[in-house]
Amino acid sequence: QSVLTQPPSASGTPGQRVTISCSGSSSNIGSNYVYWYQQLPGTAPKLLIYRNNQRPSGVPDRFSGSKSGTSASLAISGLRSEDEADYYCAAWDDSLSGSNWVFGGGTKLTVL
Amino acid sequence: QVQLQESGPGLVKPSETLSLTCTVSGGSISSYYWSWIRQPPGKGLEWIGYIYYSGSTNYNPSLKSRVTISVDTSKNQFSLKLSSVTAADTAVYYCARGNPPYVTHWYFDLWGRGTLVTVSS
Repeated sequence: QSVLTQPPSASGTPGQRVTISCSGSSSNIGSNYVYWYQQLPGTAPKLLIYRNNQRPSGVPDRFSGSKSGTSASLAISGLRSEDEADYYCAAWDDSLSGSNWVFGGGTKLTVL
Repeated sequence: QVQLQESGPGLVKPSETLSLTCTVSGGSISSYYWSWIRQPPGKGLEWIGYIYYSGSTNYNPSLKSRVTISVDTSKNQFSLKLSSVTAADTAVYYCARGNPPYVTHWYFDLWGRGTLVTVSS
């Protein structure tokens, strides 16, 4: 069971806006940045959003991230067929034993 | 540009030690954090641990007793050893870079293509 909670699946039609949620706790999302990774079929994950809402160079502005309290969301507007992929949220988790990375279980996005 | 490439045996017997190496090309291994992350077939991502170029490490508490990560700056490589493996350790293993340098909470900005390691007799 993953520390961060994501819905296992999401779907939308081309042109639609979809959102994927990521829920955590005060030790991870509540006190640290959230990151989003896109994993296209058969490939390695790719950084999509960093520090809650920043896009790396080359990532279309159709992708946006937000955070509120202990939850975060990834929004994809103008959905395209090539957006069909698995999406993972991630964050640092700070505990008495130290800081460790935690991931969400992943959300499989289907473009209908 | 900087690229990461995992290498090592694709098949490991149960109870033996899994050993992988990540070679960094196109840039220096110095100044950054370097991680191992794995993904069992059909499942999500699990962080294994990281090493700073200077040699300091931090491991996932759930794997800590079996994991060793080391770095060889002269070869621009870092390595993973996972002992006493079982079928549950079958996964695609990725190496990744932590950026930016010199901060305590960095993020994975570059990933290798991954290598599948199967644990089976």
